[in-house]
Amino acid sequence: GENVEQHPSTLSVQEGDSAVIKCTYSDSASNYFPWYKQELGKGPQLIIDIRSNVGEKKDQRIAVTLNKTAKHFSLHITETQPEDSAVYFCAARNAGGTSYGKLTFGQGTILTVHP
Amino acid sequence: DTEVTQTPKHLVMGMTNKKSLKCEQHMGHRAMYWYKQKAKKPPELMFVYSYEKLSINESVPSRFSPECPNSSLLNLHLHALQPEDSALYLCASSPQYATNEKLFFGSGTQLSVL
Repeated sequence: GENVEQHPSTLSVQEGDSAVIKCTYSDSASNYFPWYKQELGKGPQLIIDIRSNVGEKKDQRIAVTLNKTAKHFSLHITETQPEDSAVYFCAARNAGGTSYGKLTFGQGTILTVHP
Repeated sequence: DTEVTQTPKHLVMGMTNKKSLKCEQHMGHRAMYWYKQKAKKPPELMFVYSYEKLSINESVPSRFSPECPNSSLLNLHLHALQPEDSALYLCASSPQYATNEKLFFGSGTQLSVL
């Protein structure tokens, strides 16, 4: 089955700095890669996602890059703000034998942005 | 309304109790999911409903029983749980059939089994 490794497990930055979180996946058939942000006491919230036919996607201060050959994808947050502090999960979904594809999550990164 | 609402937010139950978790969404999504999340871990899929039919059961013990009364509601019935079942139970929905794409999660029910 799919295995997703996420690094680092914790990341501490100063407000205004950039933050980068990296994930690698094992199943070359995976075709969808979302990133979720989970704040304390809340459920995960989708912040950005990318499909395997796209190399990069950007939404304001957030960007995701995908390298299919190396089987890794990264989340980039620029101009970080204290409200970006949360746990971030990457995930990979394999194509599946039918229309269902299982979503495998990374172990999470605790991001702390210091004012 | 872009929310998934879960009740109750907190639940404490004994191992002999029967309780139910409830989830509601009004986004017209036809796929709904139950996930379990242990502290400091990622969510783990339990069940998937698509068009009110159970399409995926990730080998969950029978003490967890899901139900989808209609396209907006999802329940999880609990009976004879074990202390190791204590966790955050998350409901999610997605616009498309069971694709696990663009999941909208609720805030969860924090369950403690004594």
